[in-house]
Amino acid sequence: EPEVTQTPSHQVTQMGQEVILRCVPISNHLYFYWYRQILGQKVEFLVSFYNNEISEKSEIFDDQFSVERPDGSNFTLKIRSTKLEDSAMYFCASSEYETQYFGPGTRLLVL
Amino acid sequence: QQQVKQSPQSLIVQKGGISIINCAYENTAFDYFPWYQQFPGKGPALLIAIRPDVSEKKEGRFTISFNKSAKQFSLHIMDSQPGDSATYFCAASRIYNTDKLIFGTGTRLQVFP
Repeated sequence: EPEVTQTPSHQVTQMGQEVILRCVPISNHLYFYWYRQILGQKVEFLVSFYNNEISEKSEIFDDQFSVERPDGSNFTLKIRSTKLEDSAMYFCASSEYETQYFGPGTRLLVL
Repeated sequence: QQQVKQSPQSLIVQKGGISIINCAYENTAFDYFPWYQQFPGKGPALLIAIRPDVSEKKEGRFTISFNKSAKQFSLHIMDSQPGDSATYFCAASRIYNTDKLIFGTGTRLQVFP
């Protein structure tokens, strides 16, 4: 069964450093999303992406964040200068229609 | 108006019992209501979903009940099993343009043998 994959599974970084989280969505899907989940809290929407551009972004998705689909398979989330409060689980999701399929997540820890 | 409220925060059920989780929304533009199951350290996995044109949807032991006038929907897990122990999130979105999911706050379910 096709699935969304994410790398790395864990990332530890120093405050102020740049991180890139990678995702490979399900191959025939056209809609891509990033969500984050701070430990013990609900899943929060960050950004959606369709047709090579951002469809919608949340208040969380400020100028420090960017997304890119550098080739036909990968979808990346970049955080330019990480803050302590960026520590969270980051989930990529993709969809063909209304059902969104989530990857296993990248646990980001900012020290 | 974008919020989805979920209760209870945690639920303890004995094996074989019925688990019931409730959600409420305010935005009448929502027209897709999925439930996701999440195990520790894993991503949310779609369990079952409903659209507002039906009042109930059943898949195996899992049933969604939907009350459009009250803007509420609930998940019922019949014959709860220890393997059902997980966190459950309700969510809502608009099907048009495959909109973002707005998640509830989650319910941690523990099923004891």
